[in-house]
Amino acid sequence: NAGVTQTPKFRILKIGQSMTLQCTQDMNHNYMYWYRQDPGMGLKLIYYSVGAGITDKGEVPNGYNVSRSTTEDFPLRLELAAPSQTSVYFCASTQRTGGLKAFFGQGTRLTVV
Amino acid sequence: KQEVTQIPAALSVPEGENLVLNCSFTDSAIYNLQWFRQDPGKGLTSLLLIQSSQREQTSGRLNASLDKSSGRSTLYIAASQPGDSATYLCAVRPTGANSKLTFGKGITLSVRP
Repeated sequence: NAGVTQTPKFRILKIGQSMTLQCTQDMNHNYMYWYRQDPGMGLKLIYYSVGAGITDKGEVPNGYNVSRSTTEDFPLRLELAAPSQTSVYFCASTQRTGGLKAFFGQGTRLTVV
Repeated sequence: KQEVTQIPAALSVPEGENLVLNCSFTDSAIYNLQWFRQDPGKGLTSLLLIQSSQREQTSGRLNASLDKSSGRSTLYIAASQPGDSATYLCAVRPTGANSKLTFGKGITLSVRP
């Protein structure tokens, strides 16, 4: 059971470039989330999804977009990369019922230069 | 708005010491609270999940308690080891549909041999 898988692990982007961070989970979880983690700032929610076809903004959505066409996948899109988007990005998932335990991927370290 | 505080930001202790990590939250209307461990450059690993109806959870040398009315949780680590060195984060999930985790900034623990 792979859990939550993120790719790539590392990426360097130039200002203005675009990229997609991939996230997939094999636990059939309904809820999926994207967080960014900056030093000393904790984790901030970017976008989340409660099921296929449904997404909503979190605390810091500007500069990002998401889609949820399947239960398994929740990609995060950066359209015009800016230095302020240099961060570590984490994808997480949770079952809709039961204890609502959260599972996290290993993260994507993104640097925008 | 829910706020989660973890103080101090960093802690250094000698090996073998029993220690307590604190987490406080402002809104007691929570569904659960989860403690995570994060090693440098890695993702978040769930340690313990406490439901709002529970008072504590135990896993090996770890014990987490929850006092909803006072907005506090503690993570107790018995007989600390150098391998326990990591950042420990607590996260609160509020009640209500589509509720989302709010994280503290974490406590970076260093256990000296």
